[in-house]
Amino acid sequence: DTGVSQDPRHKITKRGQNVTFRCDPISEHNRLYWYRQTLGQGPEFLTYFQNEAQLEKSRLLSDRFSAERPKGSFSTLEIQRTEQGDSAMYLCASSPRTSVNTGELFFGEGSRLTVL
Amino acid sequence: GQSLEQPSEVTAVEGAIVQINCTYQTSGFYGLSWYQQHDGGAPTFLSYNALDGLEETGRFSSFLSRSDSYGYLLLQELQMKDSASYFCAPGGGGKLIFGQGTELSVKP
Repeated sequence: DTGVSQDPRHKITKRGQNVTFRCDPISEHNRLYWYRQTLGQGPEFLTYFQNEAQLEKSRLLSDRFSAERPKGSFSTLEIQRTEQGDSAMYLCASSPRTSVNTGELFFGEGSRLTVL
Repeated sequence: GQSLEQPSEVTAVEGAIVQINCTYQTSGFYGLSWYQQHDGGAPTFLSYNALDGLEETGRFSSFLSRSDSYGYLLLQELQMKDSASYFCAPGGGGKLIFGQGTELSVKP
């Protein structure tokens, strides 16, 4: 399978703990995106990378959130001092640079976070 | 600022045609994408319009009017498996912004 993979698929944690999610994009894709989705809502943009450079970060993202893509391949999204409001599905997507002309992102199945 | 409007719910019967409208206001607009998402699944790409007019892909077509900041997704010959959420997503500057989505229910 050469799709976008995310790990873990489910994470339950207690408020105040740190969590980290990993995303492995499609290998030829140089762009990688993180979105967050809550029930009944569309995916909300968090941040995206082109290769290892983080090009944009949503103003909605607090300082507790940090994302990295150190070698331009896989990416990690860390949430520090989790709050109940962080409970959501965290979606990763990747695309080739030409996605600007096609509008197509390839999404993973997501990592579901539940904060108790 | 940025805004997106889609109907929250649409119901139709098998074999019918349904149109899902989308109006948007975003900065740096490049084009309008449409995505489908089944319950518990990942969003999947359906269609993209960069220029005004109609794009057809099988049973699905998408339309864009840049001057009106308006687009729609047209689904023909509806099937039960088309029951899902549909999102319009204007793109610009490398990222897509998703609306709240339209939940389509297809009835027998």
